[in-house]
Amino acid sequence: AQSVTQLDSQVPVFEEAPVELRCNYSSSVSVYLFWYVQYPNQGLQLLLKYLSGSTLVESINGFEAEFNKSQTSFHLRKPSVHISDTAEYFCAVTPINTDKLIFGTGTRLQVFP
Amino acid sequence: DGGITQSPKYLFRKEGQNVTLSCEQNLNHDAMYWYRQDPGQGLRLIYYSQIVNDFQKGDIAEGYSVSREKKESFPLTVTSAQKNPTAFYLCASKDGGLVAVSGANVLTFGAGSRLTVL
Repeated sequence: AQSVTQLDSQVPVFEEAPVELRCNYSSSVSVYLFWYVQYPNQGLQLLLKYLSGSTLVESINGFEAEFNKSQTSFHLRKPSVHISDTAEYFCAVTPINTDKLIFGTGTRLQVFP
Repeated sequence: DGGITQSPKYLFRKEGQNVTLSCEQNLNHDAMYWYRQDPGQGLRLIYYSQIVNDFQKGDIAEGYSVSREKKESFPLTVTSAQKNPTAFYLCASKDGGLVAVSGANVLTFGAGSRLTVL
């Protein structure tokens, strides 16, 4: 069975500070990895994904995540956050050759001025 | 623009009543999903459907029912048997079948329906 752990339920930061949202997964098979973002009272939107190739993936709004197979991690980082980044962030995995998407419990990022 | 429409956005229900949440997509996606979201618990899969007239139970299907009579539509009924129905419900869809190819496992979500049982 697969599982996804997001250790931090809430991460408060000041604007323009760097942030890292942690994600670890457990799986006996190879997986694809995703980060989704959810703004208040909205559905989830794909932020970035790792399918293969370079282990560092980037989004259009400055977030990046690095796949670390040995540590089974896919942490999300941004060097300088904005107020508008305030949202809930979900890490998710899909075992290769399956149709299953397993979500973590989410991390609420709160950016203060 | 293509997307997923969920309605109603907010819904109040008395205990003992069934309620149906609508989910319509115009993305021509094969697969559709219903998730339930509770604070601190992330998203849990209720039901999913990979083709018309077929659907499977997810991790928390008890007290829920679905139908998939059309490719575009996947309504969810929350029955009176659901012990704790107050939650945020999210519908999603994706293209592709069982085999995950590049990008095929990316879900598109609707804006959600918030159900409150009084």
